[in-house]
Amino acid sequence: SYVLTQPPSVSVAPGKTARITCGGNNIGSKSVHWYQQKPGQAPVLVIYYDSDRPSGIPERFSGSNSGNTATLTISRVEAGDEADYYCQVWDSSSDHPEVFGGGTKLTVL
Amino acid sequence: QVTLRESGPALVKPTQTLTLTCTFSGFSLSTSGMCVSWIRQPPGKALEWLARIDWDDDKYYSTSLKTRLTISKDTSKNQVVLTMTNMDPVDTATYYCARGRDGSYDPWGQGTLVTVSS
Repeated sequence: SYVLTQPPSVSVAPGKTARITCGGNNIGSKSVHWYQQKPGQAPVLVIYYDSDRPSGIPERFSGSNSGNTATLTISRVEAGDEADYYCQVWDSSSDHPEVFGGGTKLTVL
Repeated sequence: QVTLRESGPALVKPTQTLTLTCTFSGFSLSTSGMCVSWIRQPPGKALEWLARIDWDDDKYYSTSLKTRLTISKDTSKNQVVLTMTNMDPVDTATYYCARGRDGSYDPWGQGTLVTVSS
């Protein structure tokens, strides 16, 4: 089945830019979705179709996808952005079509 | 407003069968393009997709758990049911259901913690 690889952790100072990557074989040919999960809470969709934001998600959250890497970018990071972030794709060619990355813990220093 | 809520036993014994129900509102699972998936998360670990059922009753399962899972829907009751057989302590996790549309999942239910222990 398709594999998505994320760094276990990313640290960033408040006000700076955080970039969280999601690697996969030719992931640029797929649509990537990103979720934010705070402790004790259910995941929340923050980016869909590589770079679209659901209503209510701040413009500070953006996404890109090309080649073998998709990236979630959080600008002007705030303490409230500290959370786990997961990427997800739908691999229609697979018997195991829904795939999540291993998650990245974003720490705001 | 779309909401989903998971329900089921908080504690099951090893070898037992787990039955979870996802009750939703604010959308219809008979609408083209809609789906509902079950996803679980062991304590302190990552999300793991389990199963998905589409509006047209197509079903998809995790390859590693396929032999133990069954997903079904009752459109009239706005419910999706997941059964998992032969439960083991490693299946201890929070189980979520989520509405899918165009590949992404939004929103998710609050999750239900299932502990497998004798």
